[in-house]
Amino acid sequence: DAGVTQSPTHLIKTRGQHVTLRCSPISGHKSVSWYQQVLGQGPQFIFQYYEKEERGRGNFPDRFSARQFPNYSSELNVNALLLGDSALYLCASSPHTGGYSYGYTFGSGTRLTVV
Amino acid sequence: DQQVKQNSPSLSVQEGRISILNCDYTNSMFDYFLWYKKYPAEGPTFLISISSIKDKNEDGRFTVFLNKSAKHLSLHIVPSQPGDSAVYFCAASAPQKLVFGQGTRLTINP
Repeated sequence: DAGVTQSPTHLIKTRGQHVTLRCSPISGHKSVSWYQQVLGQGPQFIFQYYEKEERGRGNFPDRFSARQFPNYSSELNVNALLLGDSALYLCASSPHTGGYSYGYTFGSGTRLTVV
Repeated sequence: DQQVKQNSPSLSVQEGRISILNCDYTNSMFDYFLWYKKYPAEGPTFLISISSIKDKNEDGRFTVFLNKSAKHLSLHIVPSQPGDSAVYFCAASAPQKLVFGQGTRLTINP
């Protein structure tokens, strides 16, 4: 079985540009969460989507948005990129929404560099 | 507002000895605590968890201890092996998300 897949693995963008990151969850998992990991810090929660609806949002500006598709894959969009958006973006899938009891499996992440 | 803290950025342990990684939290409403292991260029991998109603959970070489009164948990790895060298994250379960600590880089020396 394929795990959580993210694309692209790396990309470089210029300040002010827009970026779209993609995530495919484990087959059968209906929930996708996005995390940002800045170098030297732990992952920070950005969004959780379940059944195409936003179920949770972290403390990130409106430049960050996401959506989930009928096949449960998800996109994270970031507008007007800033140097501080440079980070590893992690996607996690779980069977359901809610807390840990349902488990989270992480992808390998997308390394975004803003120059 | 750092609700989950790992105060040791790095730890170096000799192969075969015990590794002890520590984590403190501030929110008594967390219901589960988890440890994740992360290698470079990979996502975090789940290692072990503990419910807030328990004080110990063991899985092979890994044991997690929870002290609710002190709002402190620790991960013990015995015996430590070279493949254990990685960054370890403590995380707490909150509605719809995990709250992570900053991580501790564990290095196992031969």
